[in-house]
Amino acid sequence: EAGVAQSPRYKIIEKRQSVAFWCNPISGHATLYWYQQILGQGPKLLIQFQNNGVVDDSQLPKDRFSAERLKGVDSTLKIQPAKLEDSAVYLCASSLGERGGSTDTQYFGPGTRLTVL
Amino acid sequence: RKEVEQDPGPFNVPEGATVAFNCTYSNSASQSFFWYRQDCRKEPKLLMSVYSSGNEDGRFTAQLNRASQYISLLIRDSKLSDSATYLCGGGYGGSQGNLIFGKGTKLSVKP
Repeated sequence: EAGVAQSPRYKIIEKRQSVAFWCNPISGHATLYWYQQILGQGPKLLIQFQNNGVVDDSQLPKDRFSAERLKGVDSTLKIQPAKLEDSAVYLCASSLGERGGSTDTQYFGPGTRLTVL
Repeated sequence: RKEVEQDPGPFNVPEGATVAFNCTYSNSASQSFFWYRQDCRKEPKLLMSVYSSGNEDGRFTAQLNRASQYISLLIRDSKLSDSATYLCGGGYGGSQGNLIFGKGTKLSVKP
């Protein structure tokens, strides 16, 4: 079974530029998550989708971050404009969605490592 | 405030040793817990899920203590390949909830 796919794997941009990340979840998984993982920290949830609806975006800095999952499958996360503190690994995860968000096993993609100069 | 706390380590242990990590959580309503393993510059991979008092898988045992609000991970007969960061995640929010992760505990197994 194919895992969660993400691209690009690495991205280097200058501050104030824009960047977008793409995620394709495991086939059939209803729930998709975007996490930000800063070096030395655990993953921090940015946004959670169930199918194409947003379940939780309470920790998404909405002045600069946006995300969409228009057809309930692939998702994109955008940062515009980027700041130095956005340097991190952006992880996408998906879960089946059968048992409920807090008890579902989440499967992570390889992540996109963003460096903002 | 919902938090999950872990000792960051590093835990440096010799091969064959038994090592235990603790993870404390503040949300008493959390129903489920997950231990993930994360290798350097890689994504987290599920090691074990815990929905009741504990779980065991080979050399790995997780135990949940709801009264004291902590979950532990015990690794027996440590292997060099066990060297990694171990992330604890606590589930909250029910059917539309998600996980809060700790900062992770780094384990280094030496020959």
